[in-house]
Amino acid sequence: NAGVTQTPKFRILKIGQSMTLQCAQDMNHNYMYWYRQDPGMGLKLIYYSVGAGITDKGEVPNGYNVSRSTTEDFPLRLELAAPSQTSVYFCASSLGKGNGGYEQYFGPGTRLTVT
Amino acid sequence: GDSVTQMEGPVTLSEEAFLTINCTYTATGYPSLFWYVQYPGEGLQLLLKATKADDKGSNKGFEATYRKETTSFHLEKGSVQVSDSAVYFCALGDTGRRALTFGSGTRLQVQP
Repeated sequence: NAGVTQTPKFRILKIGQSMTLQCAQDMNHNYMYWYRQDPGMGLKLIYYSVGAGITDKGEVPNGYNVSRSTTEDFPLRLELAAPSQTSVYFCASSLGKGNGGYEQYFGPGTRLTVT
Repeated sequence: GDSVTQMEGPVTLSEEAFLTINCTYTATGYPSLFWYVQYPGEGLQLLLKATKADDKGSNKGFEATYRKETTSFHLEKGSVQVSDSAVYFCALGDTGRRALTFGSGTRLQVQP
């Protein structure tokens, strides 16, 4: 059981470039999330999904897009990268129901620098 | 909207000292409350949780009690170790999105 995996671990982008951050989970969780963590700050929700084919915006969605074609995968797309998107990105998943439904499992993160 | 406020760090303690990290929240309804820990270079791991008022979550010697009357969920440990050095995040569960709202984190440094 690998849990939540993310690739790449590190990436440097030039301003205006695009990239996709990959996230996959093997726990058959319905809910998946993307957060960003800026230095010295808590995590902010970018997008989330409650199941395949269903996505919705979080607190800070501008400059990002997501898709959820399968239960396992939840890629995050950055179009026209800007320095303000320099951050550490975490993907998470949860069962989404029951008393333990809020418990989220996090991937190891992707550290992105835009210069 | 929902929010979580944590005490600012860093908190520096000697080994075997008593630890308290304060956390208060603002939310509608009855959210679940969590403490997550982030070790250097790693993702977040769930440390403990409480799903209703007066519940006490505990794990690895850490404890926190869900206090609805004071809207608090303070983290405590009786005797910290160097290996407890990490960033600790308080969070509450959003009943609608099943997402988490995080505090800004508190860095704990334990010296031998």
